Formats: sequence, C-alpha cells, structure tokens
Amino acid sequence: NAGVMQNPRHLVRRRGQEARLRCSPMKGHSHVYWYRQLPEEGLKFMVYLQKENIIDESGMPKERFSAEFPKEGPSILRIQQVVRGDSAAYFCASSPPLGQGHTGELFFGEGSRLTVL
Amino acid sequence: AQSVTQLDSQVPVFEEAPVELRCNYSSSVSVYLFWYVQYPNQGLQLLLKYLSGSTLVKGINGFEAEFNKSQTSFHLRKPSVHISDTAEYFCAVSEVDSSYKLIFGSGTRLLVRP
Repeated sequence: NAGVMQNPRHLVRRRGQEARLRCSPMKGHSHVYWYRQLPEEGLKFMVYLQKENIIDESGMPKERFSAEFPKEGPSILRIQQVVRGDSAAYFCASSPPLGQGHTGELFFGEGSRLTVL
Repeated sequence: AQSVTQLDSQVPVFEEAPVELRCNYSSSVSVYLFWYVQYPNQGLQLLLKYLSGSTLVKGINGFEAEFNKSQTSFHLRKPSVHISDTAEYFCAVSEVDSSYKLIFGSGTRLLVRP
C-alpha cells in the first residue's frame, strides 16, 4: 500500500534549465496538491489538481511554473528557466475525491528538493 | 481568506518537560484544523486533526490539541517530551466542505534537550 511517491528526491539544475517534478498519488486518490517550502519557511500552497483539470492555481507564480495531472500517469510540476530563488523543497499531497471517504487529511510525499546552481 | 499564525518559531525544552506549541487561525467560515510534524529532510506526517465533535483531540506519539473556537486557537500539547520529538511542527487549516486545500502556519521548531 504505497504512499504518495515523488521523484526525483533531489534534483540539481543550472540557471536557465528546466525542472520536472513528478508525483504519483496514493492508490484511489484522484486529487493532487503541490506545495513549496523555502528554506526555514512553512509550506506554501501552489496548485490543486484533479485528473485532467486544474481546480485552484492561486498559489502558482504567473510565469515559468506549470502543473498537470493527466488521465494516465503522475502529476507533473514543471519549472522552466529556473533561477536560484526556485531552490526549495516541493511537496506533493493527495486525497480521495471530495465526499468519498475524505477525512480532511492530505497525505504527503517526502518531497523533491531542487537546487539551482 | 484563511490564515494561520504560529507565534513561536522555536521552542527549546528539556527532556521529560511538558510543552505547548501555539497556533491561532483566522477564517470567516468553519474550518478543519490539523497538526503535522516534519523530521529533517522528510515529508509531513499527520499528528492529529479536528473535524468536529469533542474539542480535545488526541493524536499519535502522546500529543493532544484543544480546539477553542472563541479564541480561534488550536494549541498542541504533550505532557512529557522525548529527544525524538525534536522536529518542525506545522499547524494547518482548511475550509469545511471546500477543496480541503491546507493553509499552513510558518512552523515551530521544537528542540528537546537532554
């Protein structure tokens, strides 16, 4: 009964490169949430997705960041033309569909730590 | 819009002493409340949650929290801490019957000393 799986766990990119972070939700979960944790800070909400739909992207930077959750495969958080300020831990969480056994809890992965040189 | 305030960025305490980590929230609607723990270089683990019912909630590892609606607080307590409790603790809130999007506080680092 695997939990939320994120990969890669660590990613190093040079300024201007692209970063792709992947998240496979728990079995039976169709909702995915992405959070960013800057060093010594709390988690900031970025985006909430269901399969093939972005429901809430109010926390996403307007440029360079995008997210998707296709019908098949993991959710992807994509950062284009990375800058040093993008260095952070990116956490994915999943939950079952609203009203279908949802207890309010989000289940978190262990995070992907992006370092931009 | 909701917000969560954790006033203490760091709480040092001696082993076997009691501890309270404070959390206050702001919301115009009913909320669910959560405490998560994060050990170094790991993800978040749920300690406990308040959805409804009894305002005193018991969680894992001997932690408990009390929901106080009038004071909009959800403080976390443990009567006797261990070295292994050293970690970052996050309070979070989500709107009832909404997207279950969690809004987190800035975290409190609990440092347990021998």
